Amino acid sequence: GAVVSQHPSRVICKSGTSVKIECRSLDFQATTMFWYRQFPKQSLMLMATSNEGSKATYEQGVEKDKFLINHASLTLSTLTVTSAHPEDSSFYICSARYGGTEAFFGQGTRLTVV
Amino acid sequence: AQKITQTQPGMFVQEKEAVTLDCTYDTSDQSYGLFWYKQPSSGEMIFLIYQGSYDEQNATEGRYSLNFQKARKSANLVISASQLGDSAMYFCALRFIQGAQKLVFGQGTRLTINP
Repeated sequence: GAVVSQHPSRVICKSGTSVKIECRSLDFQATTMFWYRQFPKQSLMLMATSNEGSKATYEQGVEKDKFLINHASLTLSTLTVTSAHPEDSSFYICSARYGGTEAFFGQGTRLTVV
Repeated sequence: AQKITQTQPGMFVQEKEAVTLDCTYDTSDQSYGLFWYKQPSSGEMIFLIYQGSYDEQNATEGRYSLNFQKARKSANLVISASQLGDSAMYFCALRFIQGAQKLVFGQGTRLTINP
């Protein structure tokens, strides 16, 4: 299957700082990427849909200014958590599609804000 | 509204037994896709099996099969001959065919395989 690489896998940052998470499709061009958030022992909640070269579409209740998404190329999307606070601590995971049926997921990023 | 429901928070099964994980969904769309993913403790999401709403036959992938009952809006995952490595969270997901084709996930079922 296609490979999606997400970095970093773990990050600890201080409250008030910003953190950038990268999602790369390694062997295919992803026209659409998705960003999810997962709290412990809960399901994946879609945060936003990212299309190359255009603004991301955010789900209801997701703060656009808090979670900045950039999809600058067909192989890279980034999620920046701005002015992070402890309540932003969570597992963030991206997925990418190029057509076909399944979505390929990155390995996820565990963010801890202290 | 699109909704997907997994009613079993946890399942415990003896090794080598078959297990069925339940999934029901609600959508007004005629065309949609159903997925099952496995999430081990490492957090990665592993694609298991896919069923399209117009597929007449139940999908199968190795030890995984999908019991698709369209009229009842259910898409249960059957794992045959369970193995210790099958212990993980399992998520059912519904994909809209229109627009961005985003996935909506169920609450998940934690499967534990006992030796």
